[in-house]
Amino acid sequence: AQSVTQLDSQVPVFEEAPVELRCNYSSSVSVYLFWYVQYPNQGLQLLLKYLSGSTLVKGINGFEAEFNKSQTSFHLRKPSVHISDTAEYFCAVKTGGSNYKLTFGKGTLLTVNP
Amino acid sequence: KAGVTQTPRYLIKTRGQQVTLSCSPISGHRSVSWYQQTPGQGLQFLFEYFSETQRNKGNFPGRFSGRQFSNSRSEMNVSTLELGDSALYLCASNEWAGASYEQYFGPGTRLTVT
Repeated sequence: AQSVTQLDSQVPVFEEAPVELRCNYSSSVSVYLFWYVQYPNQGLQLLLKYLSGSTLVKGINGFEAEFNKSQTSFHLRKPSVHISDTAEYFCAVKTGGSNYKLTFGKGTLLTVNP
Repeated sequence: KAGVTQTPRYLIKTRGQQVTLSCSPISGHRSVSWYQQTPGQGLQFLFEYFSETQRNKGNFPGRFSGRQFSNSRSEMNVSTLELGDSALYLCASNEWAGASYEQYFGPGTRLTVT
């Protein structure tokens, strides 16, 4: 069975600073990886995904992530954050096959301060 | 395209009652998956339906059930409600064709059990 560990439950940063949200996964088979964002009282929005190909993945709102198979990591980065990036971020993994079952990490609350 | 619709958005029920939640996916999507989100357990997969068939089921008791109709709309039912069933229930509308992967979450139904 697969699992996802988000190493930081909360990350406070100042506006315009860079940020990295860390995600490690465990799986005995090949995986697909995702980052989602959740704003208060809303559902999840897909930020970016790794399905295959280039290990550097670019997503919406200036976010990017790098898939590192040897370190089983998929860290999310943004070079300069805005107040509006304050939200909870979830890393998720899906194993191969024709299904949409995602295993999520516990989430990281990103708080951007002025 | 219209987004994923979940009804109702908020619900208050009493212990022992049953509840039915509804999800209308994006037009053309054949798969719907359901997740429960709680502060303690995070996001947990409930089940996934594809073309009216349950394709995957998470580790939840039999009180949790679902179905999908021919128009891809899905319902989930929880019988004999317990206090611990209080959660945000999220529905995702899924479609994966070739290199195109689409997954969109609805805003969720907030269930409170008293």
